Amino acid sequence: DAGVIQSPRHEVTEMGQEVTLRCKPISGHNSLFWYRQTMMRGLELLIYFNNNVPIDDSGMPEDRFSAKMPNASFSTLKIQPSEPRDSAVYFCASSLVERGGNEQFFGPGTRLTVL
Amino acid sequence: GDSVTQMEGPVTLSEEAFLTINCTYTATGYPSLFWYVQYPGEGLQLLLKATKADDKGSNKGFEATYRKETTSFHLEKGSVQVSDSAVYFCALQDPDKLIFGTGTRLQVFP
Repeated sequence: DAGVIQSPRHEVTEMGQEVTLRCKPISGHNSLFWYRQTMMRGLELLIYFNNNVPIDDSGMPEDRFSAKMPNASFSTLKIQPSEPRDSAVYFCASSLVERGGNEQFFGPGTRLTVL
Repeated sequence: GDSVTQMEGPVTLSEEAFLTINCTYTATGYPSLFWYVQYPGEGLQLLLKATKADDKGSNKGFEATYRKETTSFHLEKGSVQVSDSAVYFCALQDPDKLIFGTGTRLQVFP
């Protein structure tokens, strides 16, 4: 298995531009998580989906952020318009939710720089 | 709500030293507990886990025991290597997402 795939790996954009981050979870997993990591705030859960349905989006910082999961093998996180304070590493993770310890598998991350 | 507290870093050690990274948690019930490791430029990966009280998780020489009496899950390794330099995250399951601690950076010098 290729693991969780994220694209792009690096994104540099200018303030005000739209940014779309993409994630392909591990086949057969039924939950998908979007995280943001910065030096100041550490690792933050933005939103997660179960069976393609958003369950908890309370971590989404504001309306400029939106996430979709149109099918079990693809999700996007969009920022529109982007701002310099959105600069961070964004991780996608997937898991197979079941009773017991549910390991999350993380992608390599997208490093976003907003100038 | 549920939470995880980790010791502040960085932890700086010489190669072959003994490592302890403290982790305590607050939770209703008895959630599964995890240690994740993040190497530079990479995503987090599972290091070990324990699903019930008194379980010991182990991997790559690292160990942690689920202690419900002290609500702790401290990470230990008897002899660290330079290649263990990374950030370590303690986490608990709540119930279908993970709650992470703030992470502890470990630096091992030869």
